[in-house]
Amino acid sequence: DGGITQSPKYLFRKEGQNVTLSCEQNLNHDAMYWYRQDPGQGLRLIYYSQIVNDFQKGDIAEGYSVSREKKESFPLTVTSAQKNPTAFYLCASTERSVGNQPQHFGDGTRLSIL
Amino acid sequence: EDQVTQSPEALRLQEGESSSLNCSYTVSGLRGLFWYRQDPGKGPEFLFTLYSAGEEKEKERLKATLTKKESFLHITAPKPEDSATYLCAVITGTASKLTFGTGTRLQVTL
Repeated sequence: DGGITQSPKYLFRKEGQNVTLSCEQNLNHDAMYWYRQDPGQGLRLIYYSQIVNDFQKGDIAEGYSVSREKKESFPLTVTSAQKNPTAFYLCASTERSVGNQPQHFGDGTRLSIL
Repeated sequence: EDQVTQSPEALRLQEGESSSLNCSYTVSGLRGLFWYRQDPGKGPEFLFTLYSAGEEKEKERLKATLTKKESFLHITAPKPEDSATYLCAVITGTASKLTFGTGTRLQVTL
């Protein structure tokens, strides 16, 4: 069954700690995206990748890092430099890196501060 | 800067009471508008894509329409299972980046 898998579902971060959120897709999609969702705000783009070994900053990239070593995987690291990391993180993908197809989403990871 | 505004923020309907959700946008070069449904604790689920003014799409009790300035999601005779947050997003530029509205939280009661 094709789709986007995000793990873990819940994650807790201690002060000064880096944490990594996993996103895997088996849709053979070219492009992948990371969003942050906060109550009362629209989804905001953190990073996106249109092709393996390449990625671009979105609107709120500070305090985050990504890698795209494989087509199916796009992990997001929330670093200690991100002072307000508590949010719902969503990963998405599209079939092609350009065009106007819809993005399809995983079921998210909720990150909280201990 | 692209902007998407959804209204109302929240809407409470009785079962069978039809209504519309609004998504107004200010963008340069609209290449598509998307509607998503999001249940609590889940990722958005794709509903519709609209590409040009005058276009309409339907799925069960939902119908989406598009003008040059806004889109409507019409809900006909809603049921409690239609309760969710409905998100609108626009795509502009060449990198398939989306700009989202803040959503309309719909509650349908018996």
